[in-house]
Amino acid sequence: QKEVEQNSGPLSVPEGAIASLNCTYSDRGSQSFFWYRQYSGKSPELIMSIYSNGDKEDGRFTAQLNKASQYVSLLIRDSQPSDSATYLCAVTGGGNKLTFGTGTQLKVEL
Amino acid sequence: NAGVTQTPKFQVLKTGQSMTLQCAQDMNHNSMYWYRQDPGMGLRLIYYSASEGTTDKGEVPNGYNVSRLNKREFSLRLESAAPSQTSVYFCASMKDGANYGYTFGSGTRLTVV
Repeated sequence: QKEVEQNSGPLSVPEGAIASLNCTYSDRGSQSFFWYRQYSGKSPELIMSIYSNGDKEDGRFTAQLNKASQYVSLLIRDSQPSDSATYLCAVTGGGNKLTFGTGTQLKVEL
Repeated sequence: NAGVTQTPKFQVLKTGQSMTLQCAQDMNHNSMYWYRQDPGMGLRLIYYSASEGTTDKGEVPNGYNVSRLNKREFSLRLESAAPSQTSVYFCASMKDGANYGYTFGSGTRLTVV
């Protein structure tokens, strides 16, 4: 069974702090990794993708990948209340299919 | 660009009734997917279609059927709805090559009573 594991949270951080979201995956053959943001009652929205070991930065977001440890993380700098959402980690499985974690709820407090 | 369009947005069914969830994308994507999302269970793949004319089962296909009508449209049918099928259903599509990720529709919230 190919699995993607995330801590369900909630993860609470103060406004302006760095939020760190983590994900582990079981399939060593996974090649592509994604972070989706999902607001309550809405559909998931792609915010970051990463394919190579190391860091990838996009604005306030940084994705980190360590294939040897089967670990993906998302850092959100200068967290804002509008970042409060559930963050889904997804990895490629067999073929063009994604396997999703159950998500981590992030709360950014004023 | 509309992206991925799902209809209806909300639906209440009685046990045993049937219905079809519609999904259409205007991005010329070959791959389309149906997921259900339940609290604590995450997104689970029901069926997918890698190209027009092909469909394959995902993780939770029982009780569902699909039709890839053409490249744009991929429908999900519940033949005899059960309360266990109460869920939020998302359609998604993806550009060829697994590096692009999915684009999701807005979802259908289905309640079976």
